[in-house]
Amino acid sequence: AQKVTQAQTEISVVEKEDVTLDCVYETRDTTYYLFWYKQPPSGELVFLIRRNSFDEQNEISGRYSWNFQKSTSSFNFTITASQVVDSAVYFCALGQGTYKYIFGTGTRLKVLA
Amino acid sequence: DGGITQSPKYLFRKEGQNVTLSCEQNLNHDAMYWYRQDPGQGLRLIYYSQIVNDFQKGDIAEGYSVSREKKESFPLTVTSAQKNPTAFYLCASSINRGISYGYTFGSGTRLTVV
Repeated sequence: AQKVTQAQTEISVVEKEDVTLDCVYETRDTTYYLFWYKQPPSGELVFLIRRNSFDEQNEISGRYSWNFQKSTSSFNFTITASQVVDSAVYFCALGQGTYKYIFGTGTRLKVLA
Repeated sequence: DGGITQSPKYLFRKEGQNVTLSCEQNLNHDAMYWYRQDPGQGLRLIYYSQIVNDFQKGDIAEGYSVSREKKESFPLTVTSAQKNPTAFYLCASSINRGISYGYTFGSGTRLTVV
């Protein structure tokens, strides 16, 4: 069965702290895609990153970085030097050759000034 | 700028009424989707459409209906058969028929039963 687990329901940090959001997935397929989306208070989900199952290279984009480890079925997301504007709900999602994603339940990140 | 427009932003429904949520995209995307978001449950797929005049049920289609008469439009009707319709509804589209490129989402409609 396909499943995405985001065990952290809510995280609070003080501005400038680093924070890691965890994502663990389950799938039996060898070809799949993993995604992270950000949902700010305005409501729409904003695409952050896509990673396919054959590319385990970690990625850095500014203050954001992602750590993909197939051995532990994890795709964790780290924000370095967090800012108040990073406050949002973050979703991890799994897709594998179909027309829909399996979303995690989301992690609400609160960055306090 | 291209994007997805959902309207209205807030919608109130009386018991027993049908209501229709609008979703329009000008991205020339083939596929469109409707998701429901409830607190603590993430997003769940209601319906999706890969091409005009064709759509498929998702995981929680009961009590909902859709149409896809135009590529740009994918309205969702919440019928009186949906017993717990209060939720946040998100429409999305994708560039091709697979999921590899990710979705573009609208800003959502919050539906409340009064």
